[in-house]
This record gives sequence, structure tokens and C-alpha cells, in this order.
Amino acid sequence: EIVLTQSPGTLSLSPGDTATLSCRASQTVSGHYLAWYQQKPGQAPRLLIYGASTRATGIPGRFSGSGSGTDFTLTISGLEPEDVAVYYCQKYGSLPLTFGGGSRVDIK
Amino acid sequence: EVQLVESGGGLVKPGGSLRLSCAASGFTFSTYNMNWVRQAPGKGLEWVSSISSSSGYRSYADSLEGRFTTSRDNANSSLFLLMNGLRADDTAVYYCVRAISFDGLTPYYLDHWGHGTLVTVSS
Repeated sequence: EIVLTQSPGTLSLSPGDTATLSCRASQTVSGHYLAWYQQKPGQAPRLLIYGASTRATGIPGRFSGSGSGTDFTLTISGLEPEDVAVYYCQKYGSLPLTFGGGSRVDIK
Repeated sequence: EVQLVESGGGLVKPGGSLRLSCAASGFTFSTYNMNWVRQAPGKGLEWVSSISSSSGYRSYADSLEGRFTTSRDNANSSLFLLMNGLRADDTAVYYCVRAISFDGLTPYYLDHWGHGTLVTVSS
């Protein structure tokens, strides 16, 4: 089973800053089969990125994903107050589906 | 608009059973792989189970030890999760989730989530 480790645990930034979130896999994630989700307080998760770098429908351009193999990154450029949330990475392509432990983004 | 509405959660004693339901609308339910994902209070996300579009293929997290069964009724666009032998560590919000699948059997990324239903296991 592939284990996903996310860092940092919490990131506190100012509006307009760039947030860089990391997701590291214990084994190679084949086919760029890596997704990112956003979970705002009290809400269900929402798909942001799939295929490591493809934005889901309706996701603003300030969210971008990159990486391959075992190292993946979610970048939020020009942070807005509405981006306060926990962000999870998830690998797919084989079962079980596994999630990282999450990274929390706060606004100073 | 895709909608997934879970129901059936509540308070149950350890060792008890519960059946969760998910009513789907806004898409052709019978063509999608469906999943349950749970989230314990204050914790992260855990995949629970997956069922293929025709129910021919079902898969579960090893941690469930065979206690849960997922099923679907395509005629009524509904997904179900029967949970037996519930334990305190099953306490969580359970989400009904639609998956994109390229081979029809294996869930890939999870593109639509319900709002969840809370299951509390306590004496």
C-alpha cells in the first residue's frame, strides 16, 4: 500500500502569498495518478486537481499541481481568505485508494 | 447538477448495525463507480469501499475486516452501506462519493461528494 506524507502540517500565510504544499509517496505513483482535494471547515471535500496537474471543472487558475514519481506539489498563488482549508492528496489507479494526512492553510 | 444525499446515520451501540443510504441525482448513476469515504472527528479521509457500475466488482478497506457490505440499486439511483459489528473507531462522517473510472472497475479520482452522514458508535 502506498503511503502519502503531506507537509507542512499547517501553513499560515498572508493574503496574496503563495502556498506550496508537498505530498510525498512511499513508492512511485504511476501514470501521474495523483489528485488534490480542498476541505473547507464544516464542508465536504472538493476535487481540485487530478492527473497531478489538471484542474477540475470550475477551479480557479491560482491553484496548480505539479510533480511525478514520488514527489508532488500543490501551489496556491495569490492566496485569498476563502482558501482557508485543509488540503489532501490522494493516489489512485489501484486499490486501496489512499489519502495523505492533510495540510492546513490558515490566513494571518 | 450532480447531487449525492446521504441518510441513515445516527447513534448506535458497539456491536450494532446500521444501513446508510445515498440518493443520487443529476447524472446517469448506472454508469459510474461509487464509493464510501469516511472521516473520523478531527481526522483525515479514509477510503471505505468501492462498487463498480454494474455491482460486479466490490472492494473494501482491509481495516473493515469484512464487517461492511456495499450495494447499489441502479433503477433507483441509490447506493447503500450495511455496517455490522460496529466499533467505537467506526465513528465518523460517511461520505457518498462518485468516482471517475477508466476501466469501469477501479475508482480513480473522486469528483463529486455528498455532504456526509454522521455515525456515532457509543454505549
